[in-house]
Amino acid sequence: KQEVTQIPAALSVPEGENLVLNCSFTDSAIYNLQWFRQDPGKGLTSLLLIQSSQREQTSGRLNASLDKSSGRSTLYIAASQPGDSATYLCAGLANAGGTSYGKLTFGQGTILTVHP
Amino acid sequence: DGGITQSPKYLFRKEGQNVTLSCEQNLNHDAMYWYRQDPGQGLRLIYYSQIVNDFQKGDIAEGYSVSREKKESFPLTVTSAQKNPTAFYLCASKTQGLYNEQFFGPGTRLTVL
Repeated sequence: KQEVTQIPAALSVPEGENLVLNCSFTDSAIYNLQWFRQDPGKGLTSLLLIQSSQREQTSGRLNASLDKSSGRSTLYIAASQPGDSATYLCAGLANAGGTSYGKLTFGQGTILTVHP
Repeated sequence: DGGITQSPKYLFRKEGQNVTLSCEQNLNHDAMYWYRQDPGQGLRLIYYSQIVNDFQKGDIAEGYSVSREKKESFPLTVTSAQKNPTAFYLCASKTQGLYNEQFFGPGTRLTVL
C-alpha cells in the first residue's frame, strides 16, 4: 500500500529565503507526482505535475524534482514571499485495478509561513 | 469558465440525519472523486467514479453513498451511519490517462451539531 510522507510538518521562514519541501513515497510504481497548494478553508490548487519519466518541472519560482528510485520528491521555492504562505501537499498517482485513471495518495502536508 | 463547483460551502447536520453534498464539473472529465480532509491530515479517498453509472469504494467508504447518473455530477450522501462526519469534503475530477493531473473543487465544510 502506497504511503506518502511530508517533512517538515511546518516551516517558518523570513521573506526572501529559498526553501525546500520534502515528500517521500513507499511504492516507486507511481505514474506521476503532483504538488498542490491549499489556502485555509479552500480547495487544492495544482502547482506542478511530474510524470514518472521526468526528473523535474518548473513554474516560475517553483521547481519540483522526482527521484523514483529513492522514492523522493522535493518542491523548491525560490525567493519566498508572504503570499506563498499556505499548506503544500504532495500526492503520488498509482494504478488502481488496471484502470486508466489511477488513484492519488496524499501526504499530510507542510504548513509554510513566510513572514515579512 | 470551466471548473468544479461544490455546494453548499458550509453545511450543518443534526445527529441521525442524512445530508447530500453536491459536486458539478463542466470540464468534460470522465473520472470524479470524493475526498475527506481532517485537520492536520492529508486527503483520504471516499468514492470514485470513472464512468457514468459506475463507481468504486475508496479507502473510507463506510457511512457514505454516491451516484453518477450524469457525467457532470457526482453527489455524495453522508448517512447517519457515518460515525464522525465532521470534516472538509473535496470533490475532484480528471480526464482519462494515468499521466494527467487531477483538479479540485473549493470544498464543503460539514459540521455535525
